[in-house]
Amino acid sequence: EPEVTQTPSHQVTQMGQEVILRCVPISNHLYFYWYRQILGQKVEFLVSFYNNEISEKSEIFDDQFSVERPDGSNFTLKIRSTKLEDSAMYFCAILDRDKNIQYFGAGTRLSVL
Amino acid sequence: EDQVTQSPEALRLQEGESSSLNCSYTVSGLRGLFWYRQDPGKGPEFLFTLYSAGEEKEKERLKATLTKKESFLHITAPKPEDSATYLCAVQGNTGFQKLVFGTGTRLLVSP
Repeated sequence: EPEVTQTPSHQVTQMGQEVILRCVPISNHLYFYWYRQILGQKVEFLVSFYNNEISEKSEIFDDQFSVERPDGSNFTLKIRSTKLEDSAMYFCAILDRDKNIQYFGAGTRLSVL
Repeated sequence: EDQVTQSPEALRLQEGESSSLNCSYTVSGLRGLFWYRQDPGKGPEFLFTLYSAGEEKEKERLKATLTKKESFLHITAPKPEDSATYLCAVQGNTGFQKLVFGTGTRLLVSP
């Protein structure tokens, strides 16, 4: 099973600040996903990323969000101006295309104060 | 819009007491149905993928089955270490393999 590492495990930020969440390191994977889970709610799809481009995004993924893979390994999710309602667990996932299985990282808990 | 409903929301079992979790779904063309386990504060951990009605998968005390409208996760003689939230997700045949999750079933197995 592929290992998906996310950093930081917990991020505390003030409302209006920018945060960057990371999946590191990942090699030999082309398909990436971000999901989020607000406390007590379901896991929700945010965005999928293939071949260095966004392939699909949800309504949640508005202009405040962006994703990139700047150095060929790290996969990042940036929230430009955080809001209280952005407080959630954010999960990175990679796709094993041969098995069609998404493997998830342990998540980053984002707390917006 | 693809939707997943899981029941019950929570289930409490005694060790050894078998039961089943339900996942009913609506999807515009099913590519796959997935079961994941989630421990508190952790990411979903893959358990099974089912692709067509009638298919069954087993792993230790867990068995997943699939019909055209629902899936069941059967837990036989559970142990306390099976306590977790079990998530069901569907993948439609449109889009780029995104998963649509249900809210999960919180299982607690008491010794």
